[in-house]
Amino acid sequence: GENVEQHPSTLSVQEGDSAVIKCTYSDSASNYFPWYKQELGKRPQLIIDIRSNVGEKKDQRIAVTLNKTAKHFSLHITETQPEDSAVYFCAAGGNEKLTFGTGTRLTIIP
Amino acid sequence: DAGVTQSPTHLIKTRGQQVTLRCSPKSGHDTVSWYQQALGQGPQFIFQYYEEEERQRGNFPDRFSGHQFPNYSSELNVNALLLGDSALYLCASILTGLNNNEQFFGPGTRLTVL
Repeated sequence: GENVEQHPSTLSVQEGDSAVIKCTYSDSASNYFPWYKQELGKRPQLIIDIRSNVGEKKDQRIAVTLNKTAKHFSLHITETQPEDSAVYFCAAGGNEKLTFGTGTRLTIIP
Repeated sequence: DAGVTQSPTHLIKTRGQQVTLRCSPKSGHDTVSWYQQALGQGPQFIFQYYEEEERQRGNFPDRFSGHQFPNYSSELNVNALLLGDSALYLCASILTGLNNNEQFFGPGTRLTVL
């Protein structure tokens, strides 16, 4: 089955700096790679996703890159703000099942 | 997503008991996946229901079972509860057939097993 590894487990950045979170996956059949943000006590919320036919996608301050050959994908957040503090999860899979990483706790230092 | 609803919000049970959790997907969505999220971990896939059938299953024992109704809502049943079943149970709403794979999570049910 699919195995997703996520690094780092914790990340602290100064407000205004950039944050990068990286994930690797094992199953070459995976074709969908979403990123979720989860605040304490709340549901995971989809913030951006990418499909295997695309190498990069950007939405305002958030971007995701995908390297299918190396089986890794990354989340980039630029100009970080205090409200970006949360736990971020990557996932890999398809329409039927998602396998999640172990999460990254991002803290933005004012 | 605000359109996905789950009930109850919280639940406390004792070991050996049985529990039923409920999920209603977004309007127009026809597929429901269930995930278990233990404290400090990522969600783990339990199973997915489509057309009232279990379409795929994760690595969970038979104590975990489910059902989907004609209106696409779904139930998750857990028998013979163990302490380790304490977790946040999330359902995700999907529209199969629309090739976008997006899964929208409900608010979850927090189950505590004592």
